[in-house]
This record gives sequence, structure tokens and C-alpha cells, in this order.
Amino acid sequence: EVQLVESGGGLVQPGGSLRLSCAASGFAFSDHAMDWVRQAPGKGLEWVGRIEHRTKGHTTEYAASVKGRFTITRDDSKNSLYLQMDSLKAEDTAVYYCARVRVFGVEYDYWGQGALVTVS
Amino acid sequence: QSALTQPVSVSGSPGQSITISCTGTSSDIGTYAYVSWYQQHPGKAPKLMIYEVSNRPSGVSNRFSGSKSGNTASLTISGLQADDEADYYCSSYTGSNTLYVFGTGTKVTVL
Repeated sequence: EVQLVESGGGLVQPGGSLRLSCAASGFAFSDHAMDWVRQAPGKGLEWVGRIEHRTKGHTTEYAASVKGRFTITRDDSKNSLYLQMDSLKAEDTAVYYCARVRVFGVEYDYWGQGALVTVS
Repeated sequence: QSALTQPVSVSGSPGQSITISCTGTSSDIGTYAYVSWYQQHPGKAPKLMIYEVSNRPSGVSNRFSGSKSGNTASLTISGLQADDEADYYCSSYTGSNTLYVFGTGTKVTVL
């Protein structure tokens, strides 16, 4: 069974840092691109960024709203995805989801349960 | 890259069909056949319902169907059921540095 479990959320002051983790199981983690998607309270979904799978060199892309402040990394040996968030702003308050990109596709076929980050 | 435009809410009675529109631009929906739809119940993670415009993942009811014309995609739910009451988001690949854009979201209410 595919599982994605986020951890590391919490309350942080503006300007602070936080690191989210996403533990993956039940599939070949290294074969999939992985994304972070966030949802502010009562709002819609927003793409945060992507890290490609190993055959694409683990390249990353970021939304303009987080570029230069957020960093996505992965450790395929630990089946884990990370989101390092620096210089946090109030508008970064959201539930952060890790999501698996479907092989040979671009959609998210599995999502984690989400981790709430509150910047206040 | 602006969010795709969806109606705020759509409602229907049990057994009826409803259609949710998703309007983008020639830079996203109009160019790429990578439109997907997600269902989100309150407090839950989104669930993939349609990918590549009209394909259903394994396990998703055939009451859900998708289509696209020009810069607008649509999700149709036929035989509306109580459990279909949820928020629905469309998404499109953009091919730009902002890889994806989501829709504004539509709340579906089953009367």
C-alpha cells in the first residue's frame, strides 16, 4: 500500500525556518518525481515545487512565491522527501502536502495527509 | 501564472448530472492535454479523479468523466450521490517554470 506521511509542521515566527519531511512507503520512491502542494486555510491548492526522480538528476523547480526561500531535497536511500522553508512569511501559513507524481504522467496519484505550518 | 477559473459552487439533486467548468489560457489548458481533476472532502487530502483530460484512475467511478475544448476543461458527475459532495479542483500542466496551475475550486452540493 502506497503511503506518504508528512511530519515537522508547527508554529514558527515570521522570518523563521522549518523543515518538513515526507516518509514514503509501498512503492519505488526513487522512480517518481515528488511535489509539494500547499493549501492556505479555507483557500485553494497551490503548487509549491518539484524534485525529479534520479534519472532526471533530481532537478528542482519552484513556484515564484517560494523561490529562493524554500528548498526541496530527497534521500532515496531513506525513501524520504524534504521541504526546507526559510524566511517564512505569514502568507506561507498552510497545510503542506507531499504528492507523488504518476510515472509517465504529470498528475498526483497519491497524497500525504498534510502538515500544518502556521507562521505567526 | 494565474489560477484556472472555476465556478464557486455547483449543486444538484441525487441522480442528476452536473458539470464543472475550468477555464484557463492558451498557455496551459489550451496547449497541453494534461488536465486533471481532484476531489477533496473537508479535512482530507485531495484525490485524483481524472487525468490527461478524460482518463479515470483505477477505482474511480465511471460516473466521473472529463473533457476539454479550447482553453476550457469540464468535469461531469452523473448519477449524483451524497458522497460526491466535496470541493473539486482542476489542474493543468503549464510547461513553464511554474509547472502546475490549479483551479480556484468548486464546492459541489448535493441537495
